[in-house]
Formats: sequence, structure tokens, C-alpha cells
Amino acid sequence: SQKIEQNSEALNIQEGKTATLTCNYTNYSPAYLQWYRQDPGRGPVFLLLIRENEKEKRKERLKVTFDTTLKQSLFHITASQPADSATYLCALDSTLTFGKGTMLLVSP
Amino acid sequence: EAGVAQSPRYKIIEKRQSVAFWCNPISGHATLYWYQQILGQGPKLLIQFQNNGVVDDSQLPKDRFSAERLKGVDSTLKIQPAKLEDSAVYLCASSRDRVETQYFGPGTRLLVL
Repeated sequence: SQKIEQNSEALNIQEGKTATLTCNYTNYSPAYLQWYRQDPGRGPVFLLLIRENEKEKRKERLKVTFDTTLKQSLFHITASQPADSATYLCALDSTLTFGKGTMLLVSP
Repeated sequence: EAGVAQSPRYKIIEKRQSVAFWCNPISGHATLYWYQQILGQGPKLLIQFQNNGVVDDSQLPKDRFSAERLKGVDSTLKIQPAKLEDSAVYLCASSRDRVETQYFGPGTRLLVL
């Protein structure tokens, strides 16, 4: 069955820097991949969807890339702010398989 | 547009007791999902409904969990009897259709003692 992995360690960065989060998958070729943000005590909130034929997708300070050869998606937040601190989850298309998430901590 | 509503927000029960969670999806959303999220893990899909029919319940522990979506709107998820390992957050989500973006509710945090 398909597996999905995200950085298990929390990512600590300083305000203003670019945060890069990784999502790797195996045993599967997703038609698309989604990224969600989850704050403590709340449900995930959809951020971006990238399809297999798209290399890159942007939305304001967010950028997602999708490398089907490496079976990897990278999620970037540029000019990070303390308000970006949260857990970020990736999910494989309609299989609805979520990774464990990566906690991002942005220090002022 | 109102979001996905869930109740209760918190529930504490003893093992072997029963518990039920309720979800009201966004109006007009045909697809409804129930997820279990254990602390430190990503959400795990338990069951997916399309209108009032089940699309996928392959990961639902059917010996103790059940779910229904009568009339294709609200849904309830029941656990009977509960085990300690059922302690988790139960998230409900909905989407316009099966391949659309999901909108999640705030979740019900269950603690089984």
C-alpha cells in the first residue's frame, strides 16, 4: 500500500527566512497532492493542490513543487512569520492518505 | 458560508462505554468523511460517504465502529464499546464532490479512561 512520509522533526526557523517542508511517498503515483495547515485544537485547513503534470504552484508566500521522478513534494513559505507556526500536512490525492505532518516554529 | 459543525467538542468516557459524535457538513456538500487523528499522527480516514451511500469504509473497525448519513446530510459516528486506544480526535470533513478540496470541522476530542 502507499506510504507517505514527512519530516518527523519540528522545523525551527527565524522570522523572514524561507521554510521548506518535505513530503515523500512510495508505492504510488498520485494524480495530485494536497497541503494542509493544522493549528492546535483545530481541523486541517486546505492550502494548495498540485497535480502530477504541474511542476510548481504558488499562492501568495506559499510555493509547492511536485517531482514525480523523486516521488517528492516540497512546500515553501517565503518571508516566514510567527503566525505561520503550525503543523503542515500533505495528503495523496483521492486516497486521502495523510502524512504525520511537520511542525513549523517561526521565531521572531 | 457556515463551516462544518461537530459536537460534542470534548468527551470523556470509560472503556467499554458507548459514544456518538455528530457532524453537520457544509450545505450542498455531497461527500462527507470521518477521520481519526491520534496525537502526533496525521488524520486516518475511517469512512467516506457520497450522499447517503458509503464509498469507502475499509479502515473502519466495524466490530466496534459504525457510521450513518441519513438523508445525505448530517452524519453520526458511533463507537461501541470503546477501548483505550480509541482516544483520539475525530474529525469530520465535507467536500462538494469526491475529488474536491475537503473542509474540516474542529473535531471531537475523545478520551477513553
